[in-house]
Amino acid sequence: GAVVSQHPSRVICKSGTSVKIECRSLDFQATTMFWYRQFPKQSLMLMATSNEGSKATYEQGVEKDKFLINHASLTLSTLTVTSAHPEDSSFYICSASLGSTYEQYFGPGTRLTVT
Amino acid sequence: GENVEQHPSTLSVQEGDSAVIKCTYSDSASNYFPWYKQELGKRPQLIIDIRSNVGEKKDQRIAVTLNKTAKHFSLHITETQPEDSAVYFCAAGGSQGGSEKLVFGKGTKLTVNP
Repeated sequence: GAVVSQHPSRVICKSGTSVKIECRSLDFQATTMFWYRQFPKQSLMLMATSNEGSKATYEQGVEKDKFLINHASLTLSTLTVTSAHPEDSSFYICSASLGSTYEQYFGPGTRLTVT
Repeated sequence: GENVEQHPSTLSVQEGDSAVIKCTYSDSASNYFPWYKQELGKRPQLIIDIRSNVGEKKDQRIAVTLNKTAKHFSLHITETQPEDSAVYFCAAGGSQGGSEKLVFGKGTKLTVNP
């Protein structure tokens, strides 16, 4: 149980274009999903908390107009990187929470490369 | 807000030895402490967690201890094997005003030498 999928696993895009990443909880309903960014050999940096049916809560320093988050259902959250630039190249990972237990299960991540 | 410190940043042990990774947290209201294992290029996987109402939890070769007074918790891996080599992250949660978010340590790269 507690399986989270993420799509795509890898994406290469040109500078200035937008990229959408999907995160799905496959066998449970997740009222809360989280989006992280991870640079090589570094820890997980929380970007935003996504709650089903409401606006995402962004961490300090994360541009909400650049990283658009939508959590339209209890099993799907999407992250759109708008007008991507090379500095946005990173490993983006989502996680889904089982609720008040605080347990988080991670997706396999998306490697974004902006050329 | 919560701050989690993790030590050491790298740890190298011989196969069969034990490995210990330590974390401290700052917010006494935190009540959930998971440990994740991340292999290169893969997702973090929850390996064990502990809540503030217990002091120790064990699952086969892995154990976690929690000292609420000192605000630190540790991961213990016994009889290490090469497949235990990975980056391990500790985290703390439950204190962010009802938010379910976790605050992660910077990670420990564990290498188990055959």
